[in-house]
Amino acid sequence: GQQVMQIPQYQHVQEGEDFTTYCNSSTTLSNIQWYKQRPGGHPVFLIQLVKSGEVKKQKRLTFQFGEAKKNSSLHITATQTTDVGTYFCAEGSGNTPLVFGKGTRLSVIA
Amino acid sequence: NAGVTQTPKFQVLKTGQSMTLQCAQDMNHEYMSWYRQDPGMGLRLIHYSVGAGITDQGEVPNGYNVSRSTTEDFPLRLLSAAPSQTSVYFCASSRYGTSGGYEQYFGPGTRLTVT
Repeated sequence: GQQVMQIPQYQHVQEGEDFTTYCNSSTTLSNIQWYKQRPGGHPVFLIQLVKSGEVKKQKRLTFQFGEAKKNSSLHITATQTTDVGTYFCAEGSGNTPLVFGKGTRLSVIA
Repeated sequence: NAGVTQTPKFQVLKTGQSMTLQCAQDMNHEYMSWYRQDPGMGLRLIHYSVGAGITDQGEVPNGYNVSRSTTEDFPLRLLSAAPSQTSVYFCASSRYGTSGGYEQYFGPGTRLTVT
């Protein structure tokens, strides 16, 4: 089945620095979803990207879907301690199970 | 709406014991799934269901059974617990259709330890 690779696995940043996580696939993706999981919590949906080259913003978070629909990124501007957690990308279409990447764990040092 | 609920929150089993993890949703979602989460492994799909009476295997189904007799409930049964099944288990639900992916709603998880 479809596989999505996420990098980096871990990222430690100083509060105020930017952070980016990448999601890559060797094949064309139907869509990309992004989730955030706080420590001890459950994954929570952030956004879905569907169109080639799509860019969406949520406050300090910017999500991009590559032109070839084989990669995606999540960029956080000026990280805050509330951004701590693991960020997952996931690929899914309507009638196939969602496939998750292994996630990027973000630590923010105050 | 309560969303997706899971019981119990924590459980300790001895090797060889069986148990059922409960999952229920009140959003009338057709699609439900079970994942296990282990450190460094992300979320791995165990079983899923696209509607009442329909279930299918995911990536790591061995040692687990599921059934879907109603839209609301999707229990996960551990047949004979093994230490390798120590993990955090998440149930999720979403709408289902062929027109695109849908947001998954996750339950709070069950933390299972098998000794």
